Amino acid sequence: QKEVEQDPGPLSVPEGAIVSLNCTYSNSAFQYFMWYRQYSRKGPELLMYTYSSGNKEDGRFTAQVDKSSKYISLFIRDSQPSDSATYLCAMSPVYQKVTFGTGTKLQVIP
Amino acid sequence: GAVVSQHPSWVICKSGTSVKIECRSLDFQATTMFWYRQFPKQSLMLMATSNEGSKATYEQGVEKDKFLINHASLTLSTLTVTSAHPEDSSFYICSARPGEEAFFGQGTRLTVV
Repeated sequence: QKEVEQDPGPLSVPEGAIVSLNCTYSNSAFQYFMWYRQYSRKGPELLMYTYSSGNKEDGRFTAQVDKSSKYISLFIRDSQPSDSATYLCAMSPVYQKVTFGTGTKLQVIP
Repeated sequence: GAVVSQHPSWVICKSGTSVKIECRSLDFQATTMFWYRQFPKQSLMLMATSNEGSKATYEQGVEKDKFLINHASLTLSTLTVTSAHPEDSSFYICSARPGEEAFFGQGTRLTVV
């Protein structure tokens, strides 16, 4: 079993839709949870990070962490074509190496 | 956020030659940097952890004699792919964590022909 599971997609949605991206994990030592956006042939760009459980909102993006269920989510409201990219969840114990999900490819259709 | 700069962004080399990739932290000091490799349509896989002033720590299955890592200063780590072969063609990305968040370089697309 992988430490981090993420549906690779692809996920296609119409412009303006709410997008829900999810990951599950098995390592209870994970404390930091991050979401990255990666465009083709580019390095990952940090979108959000959360420490321990809870919600965090930044503009159209909301990150949720449920440690009891070992489940994290990223919601994108009012999705735009420019949001089309691969979204990677990532997590780590305190100040240790980061483990990534496989990434979900998102396409927002105008 | 913090800036991690990686160079070159792409390189093509002949089989058997060596290629050096640089990773710099521009606005913070990084005692530790991480090197990842990403194959097409796959996630990032940690190759090694680079430690300033000491030997790098390699993940299982990564050949330390093939992927040489040098972390000579608090702002620079280098990855040298020695005697490169076509199967080494991949996207290499470095990362650093100045605090809680991890930041990534732009990545280097290596093609070995």
